[in-house]
Amino acid sequence: GESVGLHLPTLSVQEGDNSIINCAYSNSASDYFIWYKQESGKGPQFIIDIRSNMDKRQGQRVTVLLNKTVKHLSLQIAATQPGDSAVYFCAENPPAGRRALTFGSGTRLQVQP
Amino acid sequence: GAGVSQSPRYKVAKRGQDVALRCDPISGHVSLFWYQQALGQGPEFLTYFQNEAQLDKSGLPSDRFFAERPEGSVSTLKIQRTQQEDSAVYLCASSLRGLNTEAFFGQGTRLTVV
Repeated sequence: GESVGLHLPTLSVQEGDNSIINCAYSNSASDYFIWYKQESGKGPQFIIDIRSNMDKRQGQRVTVLLNKTVKHLSLQIAATQPGDSAVYFCAENPPAGRRALTFGSGTRLQVQP
Repeated sequence: GAGVSQSPRYKVAKRGQDVALRCDPISGHVSLFWYQQALGQGPEFLTYFQNEAQLDKSGLPSDRFFAERPEGSVSTLKIQRTQQEDSAVYLCASSLRGLNTEAFFGQGTRLTVV
């Protein structure tokens, strides 16, 4: 299948380590954010979301942190596994104007066994 | 099926040819989105439907691009007189209610214009 993210920043981690992927979003009025995982040849897969009235949300092995002051979003993956290797995108939903998510440029996560 | 289905999976078109890309959203999902993803980039918004109404087409790059969803379920993205710069993966997503709800993506159609 086609490759996603040939020229994206890459984060390499060892299996079992924790991973932190960062994202700066553009619109201070955005009220909803999602992290997506995209494996080569596949569409983006929902991981976790967070609304602007929260600063932290936890899922299974994943945590999203939102810092509205500096317009920063992060995704933390605990005990990273080889199956976590993919390109990760953050997406924001501005409250007005364009009626769809705006995606960031993505980060490639490589997990070394 | 349980997910968003797109067809064809791959499409090779000669420059100048018209193409039609199909999206079958998850049954009952009100909102449908089309995105274009160039190699190494994040998905870029093209257009948005709520049921059969096309509420936003501001992302369509030119008047050669046209999308429809006549019965509020299946959608077709049509590209007329394809150009090499149209080569990309075209992703479709649907969500149950609309904005601020989880959107599910299909696997995309890889369009190559030669």
